Amino acid sequence: GQNIDQPTEMTATEGAIVQINCTYQTSGFNGLFWYQQHAGEAPTFLSYNVLDGLEEKGRFSSFLSRSKGYSYLLLKELQMKDSASYLCAVSVYNTDKLIFGTGTRLQVFP
Amino acid sequence: EPEVTQTPSHQVTQMGQEVILRCVPISNHLYFYWYRQILGQKVEFLVSFYNNEISEKSEIFDDQFSVERPDGSNFTLKIRSTKLEDSAMYFCASSELVGRGTSGGAVADTQYFGPGTRLTVL
Repeated sequence: GQNIDQPTEMTATEGAIVQINCTYQTSGFNGLFWYQQHAGEAPTFLSYNVLDGLEEKGRFSSFLSRSKGYSYLLLKELQMKDSASYLCAVSVYNTDKLIFGTGTRLQVFP
Repeated sequence: EPEVTQTPSHQVTQMGQEVILRCVPISNHLYFYWYRQILGQKVEFLVSFYNNEISEKSEIFDDQFSVERPDGSNFTLKIRSTKLEDSAMYFCASSELVGRGTSGGAVADTQYFGPGTRLTVL
C-alpha cells in the first residue's frame, strides 16, 4: 500500500528556520512534491525532488533520500505569510495521481 | 503566469440534485485531473483525463461521477445525484505530462491546481 506521514502541526517564530519532515512508503516511487496550501485555497507548487539530495529555491529548500523514504522541506527567514499547510505528495510509476499526506499546518508567530 | 481557473467558487445544492463543476486548464497542458478535499482531510485523487478519455480513476469516482471536455478549453466534473458526503472542496489540476514511468525513466510532471469549488450538499 501507499502511506505518507507528516507532523500535523508545527509552530515557529518570524525570521527563524523550520524543517517539515515527510516519510513515505510506496512502491514504484517516481518523485516527491511539496505544495503550500493557505486555508480555503488551492495547493500551490513549491518543489519537486526525484533524485537524492537538496533542491534550493530561494527561501525554500527540499531534500530527498530515496533509500530512507524521507524528505524534508526547509523554510528559512520565516515570514508571517508562510503560515499555511504544507503538503507532501508522492508520484508513483504507472499512475497519474499524486498521493497526498495529510499536510503539516505551520503557524508563524511574531 | 498561466493558471488553472474554476467556476463557480461556491456551489450549494440539495441532496439528489445534479451539479457541474467547471475548469479551464492551462492552455498547453494535455493532462487534466480532479481531486477533492473534505474539510480537515487530505487531498484525494478522483480522476485523470487525457486524449479525450479517462486514463485513471479512484474508487471514489463511481457511476455518479463523470468528466467531459466539451470544447477545446473547458474540463467539467458532473455529479449526477449529490449526496451529503459529496460536500468538499473540488480542485481541478493540469500538467503537461503525466507521471507514468517508462524504461527510459520518464519523471512525473508538476500538476498545477485551480482555486477550487466549495460544494455544499444540504
